[in-house]
Amino acid sequence: QVQLVQSGAEVKKPGASVKVSCKASGYTFTSYDINWVRQATGQGLEWMGWMNPNSGNTGYAQKFQGRVTMTRNTSISTAYMELSSLRSEDTAVYYCARGTYYGDWGYWGQGTLVTVSS
Amino acid sequence: EIVMTQSPATLSVSPGERATLSCRASQSVSSNLAWYQQKPGQAPRLLIYGASTRATGIPARFSGSGSGTEFTLTISSLQSEDFAVYYCQQYNNWPVTFGGGTKVEIK
Repeated sequence: QVQLVQSGAEVKKPGASVKVSCKASGYTFTSYDINWVRQATGQGLEWMGWMNPNSGNTGYAQKFQGRVTMTRNTSISTAYMELSSLRSEDTAVYYCARGTYYGDWGYWGQGTLVTVSS
Repeated sequence: EIVMTQSPATLSVSPGERATLSCRASQSVSSNLAWYQQKPGQAPRLLIYGASTRATGIPARFSGSGSGTEFTLTISSLQSEDFAVYYCQQYNNWPVTFGGGTKVEIK
């Protein structure tokens, strides 16, 4: 069965970077896009960007341009999202989601809580 | 950026009743609209994509309609497990954007 398993919770200081992983199983990793979405506590969903695991091509929301990097390691079917220059407003649960161009984002990771605090 | 506006913010419904949730886009998104359900502490669950296609395993009581700028999610007969927050999402244009959510609560 399709699964996306994310890395564990992180606590970071302002100005630091965090790298969240998303390990895929149950399907061909390079056949579907990976999107990253975050959600602050009690807030809505915010799309951060997209990666094509086959080509490595990425696209980022303008809000995160210059601070976010999405990469992958196809040999272990794992996608990564690194966010730098962290501030308190980046405290949120970060999700990866398998996507298609026609909108089937039917599989999501369990979420990774990133807490930014001095 | 396309702004997605959901209404109402909160919907109070009795079990067994029908629930109608609305989502409006600030410009046309064609039929590139999805609906998600989210419960506390859980990841979003895809219900509908392509405005009206139910995702795998989604019960038939969930239906989506609309195109362009106006969309509706209908839950025909609310079950206890349906009380949650619902989000619409457009993926017609970058950046992908979500609505602010509608909380469906027990009346």
